[in-house]
Amino acid sequence: DQQVKQNSPSLSVQEGRISILNCDYTNSMFDYFLWYKKYPAEGPTFLISISSIKDKNEDGRFTVFLNKSAKHLSLHIVPSQPGDSAVYFCAAIEGDTGRRALTFGSGTRLQVQP
Amino acid sequence: KAGVTQTPRYLIKTRGQQVTLSCSPISGHRSVSWYQQTPGQGLQFLFEYFSETQRNKGNFPGRFSGRQFSNSRSEMNVSTLELGDSALYLCASSAGTPTYEQYFGPGTRLTVT
Repeated sequence: DQQVKQNSPSLSVQEGRISILNCDYTNSMFDYFLWYKKYPAEGPTFLISISSIKDKNEDGRFTVFLNKSAKHLSLHIVPSQPGDSAVYFCAAIEGDTGRRALTFGSGTRLQVQP
Repeated sequence: KAGVTQTPRYLIKTRGQQVTLSCSPISGHRSVSWYQQTPGQGLQFLFEYFSETQRNKGNFPGRFSGRQFSNSRSEMNVSTLELGDSALYLCASSAGTPTYEQYFGPGTRLTVT
């Protein structure tokens, strides 16, 4: 039972355009969400997070949007750069329950074409 | 600040052997979590330690165990290795509440033959 789903295995965008990565979740106990970027044979790198009490969080070129009623979040990268090419993972955590385990989606491979 | 470090980076073991992996968290971080990444199952939570106590546990068999020392360094042990244990094992450290960000090390690539 996948509690966090990333339905698009891959995404290709042109340099300078917007990249939108999507994530859906089913567990209502999730109250904190994170995005990680990962290169092969390396550990995930933390990008940005959002608490369930917010609907938007920005950090430079990265913005995360959360729609709690739809159990959906998205990561926007503007403008996209070739160095952004990597696999992006959405993760969620039940912060309030004390369960400090990240539940990850299956990842979306982003390719930014020069 | 130095990041999370993991040793060794690569390891080859034979079925039936046991293995110990090591993780040093970011200075000041007291929570250490372990994850397994495989092509088939993705990234899965193994366990989390805080102040030398296992606080959370994932759905893995008892062959997977861990511990945390007073300096927050952590070790993970897998006994009676199986071919399916071949994976990238990732350690992550966290400062704890009120934020839940976890910062990952580079991982240990374990190959079981």
